Amino acid sequence: DTEVTQTPKHLVMGMTNKKSLKCEQHMGHRAMYWYKQKAKKPPELMFVYSYEKLSINESVPSRFSPECPNSSLLNLHLHALQPEDSALYLCASSQEEVDILLFGSGTRLTVV
Amino acid sequence: GESVGLHLPTLSVQEGDNSIINCAYSNSASDYFIWYKQESGKGPQFIIDIRSNMDKRQGQRVTVLLNKTVKHLSLQIAATQPGDSAVYFCAENYSGGYNKLIFGAGTRLAVHP
Repeated sequence: DTEVTQTPKHLVMGMTNKKSLKCEQHMGHRAMYWYKQKAKKPPELMFVYSYEKLSINESVPSRFSPECPNSSLLNLHLHALQPEDSALYLCASSQEEVDILLFGSGTRLTVV
Repeated sequence: GESVGLHLPTLSVQEGDNSIINCAYSNSASDYFIWYKQESGKGPQFIIDIRSNMDKRQGQRVTVLLNKTVKHLSLQIAATQPGDSAVYFCAENYSGGYNKLIFGAGTRLAVHP
């Protein structure tokens, strides 16, 4: 298995909802990432996990809460989001730090 | 030619021509660089990487050039094909203690038959 799998592919949620995005890889990669991408913009780094520990939080609002339950899984818990949080959320993994990042296809999130 | 404005910069080329996509990176300490291709509705796909101890690296139909003096990267695509149409991003990283892959603004490549 040489893929990063993200679910769901699409998500519509209200501003009072709680939802979670999921990411999975079975390549033994030790670093996992969340990026946010708005239309016609580059991906922006949100969080980095290295060996299941949060190593970078790019000053992301607390309504986004990451979780790494084990070395293969990465979640992003969402609560009380705003319409401007609508974006493509990309998960990535890499074998080691400072290495090639392999991206999933993303979750297209719409906040209404 | 290129156009810059409210939209992504766009490079339009004829099928079969060579394409050159340029990127200026921001951090002089960056020592690892990656080019990604992103097609509509998909995540970024790795194309080629280069470390700062090199100034050129070749792959299949692609070449990356690195000029550290002026903090400039370029991606050359030989014999451009319609399937090369996508948005191309350069990304930089620094191996000296933190792992933050930061993306440049991106260039849309449009290949015309």
